[in-house]
Amino acid sequence: EAGVAQSPRYKIIEKRQSVAFWCNPISGHATLYWYQQILGQGPKLLIQFQNNGVVDDSQLPKDRFSAERLKGVDSTLKIQPAKLEDSAVYLCASSLGAGGLREQYFGPGTRLTVT
Amino acid sequence: GENVEQHPSTLSVQEGDSAVIKCTYSDSASNYFPWYKQELGKGPQLIIDIRSNVGEKKDQRIAVTLNKTAKHFSLHITETQPEDSAVYFCAASKDRGSTLGRLYFGRGTQLTVWP
Repeated sequence: EAGVAQSPRYKIIEKRQSVAFWCNPISGHATLYWYQQILGQGPKLLIQFQNNGVVDDSQLPKDRFSAERLKGVDSTLKIQPAKLEDSAVYLCASSLGAGGLREQYFGPGTRLTVT
Repeated sequence: GENVEQHPSTLSVQEGDSAVIKCTYSDSASNYFPWYKQELGKGPQLIIDIRSNVGEKKDQRIAVTLNKTAKHFSLHITETQPEDSAVYFCAASKDRGSTLGRLYFGRGTQLTVWP
C-alpha cells in the first residue's frame, strides 16, 4: 500500500513570509496528525484530525499556524507569518483511528528553513 | 501533560553487541508505548510497541520491556548490525481523555553500530 505523501520535501523562506505544506494520508485512514520536529528533538504534535474535524489543536500556535482537512482526506498546514524558530521538519502521520491506539504511519516530512 | 525522558542521547556499539535504550514516563494513565526508528531524511517508522497489559514483547532481534510500577520501558536490540544505525525514539500515549491518541516522544537516541 502507498505510504503517507508530503510535499514539498524542502522549503526555504525568509521570516515574515508564508508557507504551506501538503499531506495525503494512507487511503482509508480516518485520523491525520501534523507534528513539528525541531533538530535534535522528538516530534511534537501540532494538530490531530478525525475525518475532517479537529480533535486536538491545543499545541498549535494559532496566531500564525492554521490547518485544514477538507473532505476528510488531504490536509494542508500553513504558517503565516513565519519566524526563525519555525525552522523544523514538519511530519504528517495517519492512522486508521485514534481509538484503540492504532499505529501511526509517518510521511517523509517537509524540512523548513526560515532565514 | 505527559513527559517522556529518554537515555542515552547517543550510543555507540560494536557490531554483534547488544544495545539498550531506556525511557521513563510521568502519566500513569499512559497505556501504549511504541518505539520508532528514524533514518536520515525519512519519517519515523514503528519497529515495536507494547501495551500496558503486557510486560515484555519480542520480535526477532528487538525486544521491549515495560515496568508500569516504576513507569519505565526499555528497548533491547541484540546482535546489532550496521543497518541498525539510526535515531530511535520512544513514545507514550493513552486511549482515553482529551489527548486520546496523542504520542509524546522522547528526545531520541542516536545509535551507531561500528562494523
